[in-house]
Amino acid sequence: SQQGEEDPQALSIQEGENATMNCSYKTSINNLQWYRQNSGRGLVHLILIRSNEREKHSGRLRVTLDTSKKSSSLLITASRAADTASYFCATYRLAGNKLTFGGGTRVLVKP
Amino acid sequence: DTGVSQDPRHKITKRGQNVTFRCDPISEHNRLYWYRQTLGQGPEFLTYFQNEAQLEKSRLLSDRFSAERPKGSFSTLEIQRTEQGDSAMYLCASSLSLGASGKEASGYTFGSGTRLTVV
Repeated sequence: SQQGEEDPQALSIQEGENATMNCSYKTSINNLQWYRQNSGRGLVHLILIRSNEREKHSGRLRVTLDTSKKSSSLLITASRAADTASYFCATYRLAGNKLTFGGGTRVLVKP
Repeated sequence: DTGVSQDPRHKITKRGQNVTFRCDPISEHNRLYWYRQTLGQGPEFLTYFQNEAQLEKSRLLSDRFSAERPKGSFSTLEIQRTEQGDSAMYLCASSLSLGASGKEASGYTFGSGTRLTVV
């Protein structure tokens, strides 16, 4: 079963614009992670935010977490063509000892 | 250490044949995970090991699937009597245990996956 649900499922933007995608989940979590996957390749870990954190930054990435709403958002600022990929949120629960992934947001950045 | 390695990258097999995939995790990582991903979907958990112990198996993993991690190093995933529905990308990942309890995991490092096609 997939714990997280990303929204939108697909996103098309121009280079230089910001891209925002959201993730909602159902049960309490220990941390939430975002991953990127280029076509046909493995996933790359982008950022981890713990349940007691509200916001985290890494380069052009900004992640927020609202545990009361059971939701997270990933913002990519000043997007580049190389940011074209699928982005997945994944939730981690201590009781489960594993990441559970959502269905992903497919982002296309047009040059 | 160049990351998580998976072999082979691609496998085409006839229905009914057995296949085995290998995963070499990052040597310092004590946890190893197998996931399956079909086109347009997120990865689905199959099983995970902490050191050499297999601690959880998904209900997705039928009796035809078996995984091992001898000596807590590399891992193999075997599928017996393959079916067309087994066609997917099989992803391996490794991570470290974190925190005082050792229960939390760091971010996962994924391999490039093995794409299985059953014809």
